[in-house]
Amino acid sequence: EAGVAQSPRYKIIEKRQSVAFWCNPISGHATLYWYQQILGQGPKLLIQFQNNGVVDDSQLPKDRFSAERLKGVDSTLKIQPAKLEDSAVYLCASSLGRVYGNTEAFFGQGTRLTVV
Amino acid sequence: AQTVTQSQPEMSVQEAETVTLSCTYDTSESNYYLFWYKQPPSRQMILVIRQEAYKQQNATENRFSVNFQKAAKSFSLKISDSQLGDTAMYFCATVYGGSQGNLIFGKGTKLSVKP
Repeated sequence: EAGVAQSPRYKIIEKRQSVAFWCNPISGHATLYWYQQILGQGPKLLIQFQNNGVVDDSQLPKDRFSAERLKGVDSTLKIQPAKLEDSAVYLCASSLGRVYGNTEAFFGQGTRLTVV
Repeated sequence: AQTVTQSQPEMSVQEAETVTLSCTYDTSESNYYLFWYKQPPSRQMILVIRQEAYKQQNATENRFSVNFQKAAKSFSLKISDSQLGDTAMYFCATVYGGSQGNLIFGKGTKLSVKP
């Protein structure tokens, strides 16, 4: 079974530029999450999708971050314009349903973003 | 709000020995799940072990076991017979019924296994 695919693995941009990350979840997984992991901290949820609908985006900085999940499969996360404090690893995860009980979240390898 | 605290930023252990990683959490929920995730240098989070709050029996998965103390809100991870491949960041996390499945993570503990 293929895992969660993310690209690119690394990205370096200058502040005020825009950047996009792509995630392909495990086939059949209805729930998709984007987490932000700043160096020295644990991952923090940015946005959660159930199929192609947003379940929770309360911690997404909507003035600069946007995300979409077209057709309930692939997802893209965009930052425009980027700030220095956006430097982090962006992790995508997917699960059959919401994580609870025996439902497990599977993570991709993340995209390491450096804003200079 | 749920919070997870890991008070050990870094730990090291000799190969084949046992090490315990600490985690405390705060919650007002009656039922929830607790997890330990491993994040190797490849950055991919891997589930190590999970514990349901209603179950008094501590979970075990091969060399990994937990000590779940519900009243103390403590959830430590014991790794027996440590192997070089156990070198990684370890994150404690929790999820509860009302959180829509969103995992709440601690800051992590960097474990180094020395030969």
